[in-house]
Amino acid sequence: SQQGEEDPQALSIQEGENATMNCSYKTSINNLQWYRQNSGRGLVHLILIRSNEREKHSGRLRVTLDTSKKSSSLLITASRAADTASYFCATDPVVGNEKLTFGTGTRLTIIP
Amino acid sequence: DAGITQSPRHKVTETGTPVTLRCHQTENHRYMYWYRQDPGHGLRLIHYSYGVKDTDKGEVSDGYSVSRSKTEDFLLTLESATSSQTSVYFCAANRGTNNEQFFGPGTRLTVL
Repeated sequence: SQQGEEDPQALSIQEGENATMNCSYKTSINNLQWYRQNSGRGLVHLILIRSNEREKHSGRLRVTLDTSKKSSSLLITASRAADTASYFCATDPVVGNEKLTFGTGTRLTIIP
Repeated sequence: DAGITQSPRHKVTETGTPVTLRCHQTENHRYMYWYRQDPGHGLRLIHYSYGVKDTDKGEVSDGYSVSRSKTEDFLLTLESATSSQTSVYFCAANRGTNNEQFFGPGTRLTVL
């Protein structure tokens, strides 16, 4: 079963708008990671947030983590056409932490 | 793709035939992983390796075997391919737990 579940499954916004994706998970984690996948390509790591962190920034990306609610959000500000991709959260669980568990992803489409 | 290559990139085979997919990395990563990606399921872990000759099962290991005789190579074998193994297969690697994973470009396998 998937540890991480993204919401929404698909999102379309106008270029320049902000995009927010959410991830919920079920068990205790060491960290949570977000990845991007362009069509026909492998996943690319975007950002990692540790369980003792609440917010992290990287360029136009902002990630929040609420361990009490077992949820995370990824915000992409000032979206660009090149941000069109699928985004996945992945959790690094405390038990069995050699393995990440990926969610089913959010498909983001940026409309020029 | 961070020094991770996969071969072949595309393969069409018939039910019942053996298939071996190869993952090669040049960054001396300790851990290597094989995932499959199917619509609606995200990425699911098949097998992983935590060192040369050290492997373990993932979430969907039935029908698959792996081998790692060198740090840089991780092979995935389908002993007798079935149509349910039609999928896109991704290899990934990282230095250890709590680290981002680096992904290869994927292998699209079709079993007729």
